[in-house]
Parts: sequence; C-alpha cells; structure tokens
Amino acid sequence: DAGITQSPRYKITETGRQVTLMCHQTWSHSYMFWYRQDLGHGLRLIYYSAAADITDKGEVPDGYVVSRSKTENFPLTLESATRSQTSVYFCASTPTSGRAWEQYFGPGTRLTVT
Amino acid sequence: GDSVTQMEGPVTLSEEAFLTINCTYTATGYPSLFWYVQYPGEGLQLLLKATKADDKGSNKGFEATYRKETTSFHLEKGSVQVSDSAVYFCARENSGYSTLTFGKGTMLLVSP
Repeated sequence: DAGITQSPRYKITETGRQVTLMCHQTWSHSYMFWYRQDLGHGLRLIYYSAAADITDKGEVPDGYVVSRSKTENFPLTLESATRSQTSVYFCASTPTSGRAWEQYFGPGTRLTVT
Repeated sequence: GDSVTQMEGPVTLSEEAFLTINCTYTATGYPSLFWYVQYPGEGLQLLLKATKADDKGSNKGFEATYRKETTSFHLEKGSVQVSDSAVYFCARENSGYSTLTFGKGTMLLVSP
C-alpha cells in the first residue's frame, strides 16, 4: 500500500544513547519533514528536506541530525538522547513547493528517554 | 517570526452543540491557512484550507473563513458528533519551502 510509514512506533532508550527514527514514503514526494509534538507546544518543525541530499533546519534542530540519500527515506537521528527529547515524532511529506496543504503525515513514533 | 495562536482547550461539548475554535495568525503577506485534525493515536490530516483572503474552506461540516482584517481563521461546525472528538490544529504556510507553522492545538471532547 502506498503511504508514509514510521518505525519504530514506540521506543524507550536511555540518556546518552544514539537513536534513529525511520521515515519512508512511497509517493516519491520531493519534500519531507520531521516534527515533534509536545504538550503545550503543539507541533514544531525539526528539519526538512526539499530533495535527496538537500536538508535544512527548522525551528528546533539542536540535538538532531538528518540525512536523505534516497528520495523515499528521511531518517532522524538523536546523536546523544536527552530526557528533553522525550516526545512524539511525526514525519510528513508533500509533493511540491508552494502547496504546503498537501502534507501527509505518518502515524508517529513515541520516544521515551529515561 | 510567523506564529499562530489558537484557543486553549479542552473544549467540552455535548453532541449536536455548535463549535467554534478561534485561531489568529501573524501576517506577513497573505499566507495560505489550514486546519488539521488529529484523531487519537494517529498522525495529522488536513481538514480544510483557504488560500486567499475571504476564502471559505469547508469539509465534513466544518467551515473556516479567511479574514484578513482580523487575521483570523476560526473553525466552526453547526452540530458536532462524538466522532469529532480530536485535537484540532490551525496552521499557516510559511514562504519558501512549503513549511507550516502550527498552533498549539485544541482538544475537542464531545459527549453523547
């Protein structure tokens, strides 16, 4: 089935460990995004990518690294996880610039850092 | 910077009540405006949009009108159902690479 998937759906890790959250879309959309959702803050953009090998920072990029070697994948890495990174992470994609309403969201990854 | 402010929740209503969720945005130009909905345990999905001033977006009985005079985009529904219980996010498009700025979300709880 076409769509956008995230893995894992749930993850518990310890402070200081490296964690990678995966995002995969089957539409060949150009743009992909990572958000985090926290109570009282809503959704905040971490990183986004306009195409393979093109990435840029969003509102809250510190502590995160992204890469995009293939159009369909956009992994998000927490290099040294901290408790403040406990959150629900959403990946999204959209086909073209100038049509932001076409953002399609994945189901989310709930990450707990202990 | 660009921002979106929406009313805090939760909003608690009985079935068939009228719903309003307020949303205002900071205006640099005339950005496209959106309402997204998040049902429990799911990602966000687009509910409706308005791409220019005075446009009315509508979907599933929900409506919102782009008011440039008041920089507002309030969400309304005449008669809510239990199945409308969800978190609603107002959002504005930012210039450039199709990024969105979201409000903090408003939880709606509808009881039978």
